Amino acid sequence: QVQLVQSGAEVKRPGASVKVSCKASGYIFTNYGIGWVRQAPGQGLEWMGWMGWMNGYDAYTNYAQKFQGRVTMTTDTSTSTAYMELRSLGSDDTAVYYCARGADSDPWGQGTLVTVSS
Amino acid sequence: DIQMTQSPSSLAASVRDRVTITCRASQDIGNDLAWFQQKPGRAPKSLIYAASTLQSGVPPRFSGSGSGTEFTLTISSLQPEDSATYYCQQFNSYPYTFGQGTKLEI
Repeated sequence: QVQLVQSGAEVKRPGASVKVSCKASGYIFTNYGIGWVRQAPGQGLEWMGWMGWMNGYDAYTNYAQKFQGRVTMTTDTSTSTAYMELRSLGSDDTAVYYCARGADSDPWGQGTLVTVSS
Repeated sequence: DIQMTQSPSSLAASVRDRVTITCRASQDIGNDLAWFQQKPGRAPKSLIYAASTLQSGVPPRFSGSGSGTEFTLTISSLQPEDSATYYCQQFNSYPYTFGQGTKLEI
């Protein structure tokens, strides 16, 4: 079955970077883009960005302006894994980070808790 | 950015009730809208995409309608397991914004 499995929880110091992985299985990886969404404690869902495919092999990205210059979304097609790296972390980046497949966001990964604390 | 406004923010209903959640977009998004259900401590689950198409495996008591700027999610006969927070999201233009969520208690 189609599945996205994310990497485990992380604890980071302010100013550090975090890289979350999202391993896909059960479908052809380059047939669907991957979106990234985060959810701060007790808050709603916040869209971070999208990595899609042109011609089935050229990746392109679109990032929310809020994260421009601080986020990078990449993929490794050899392992069907998507990555989201967020730099210069602050305490307000403490959140659960999710990946989701395709334009209709189905399915979602299980989420990765990133805690930023000194 | 396109603003998505859900109403109500929260509601309480009973088993077998019919409930409707509304999502309004600040500009025309065609039918580029999805609905998600999220239970505490869990990842969101896709219910509906393209405004009215039910995801595989989603019970038929869930339905979506609308186009342009106004959309609705209807649950025709509430079940206890429908207690959750529901979000809409537009996929018409970047950034793909979410509504603020509707918490449904049963």
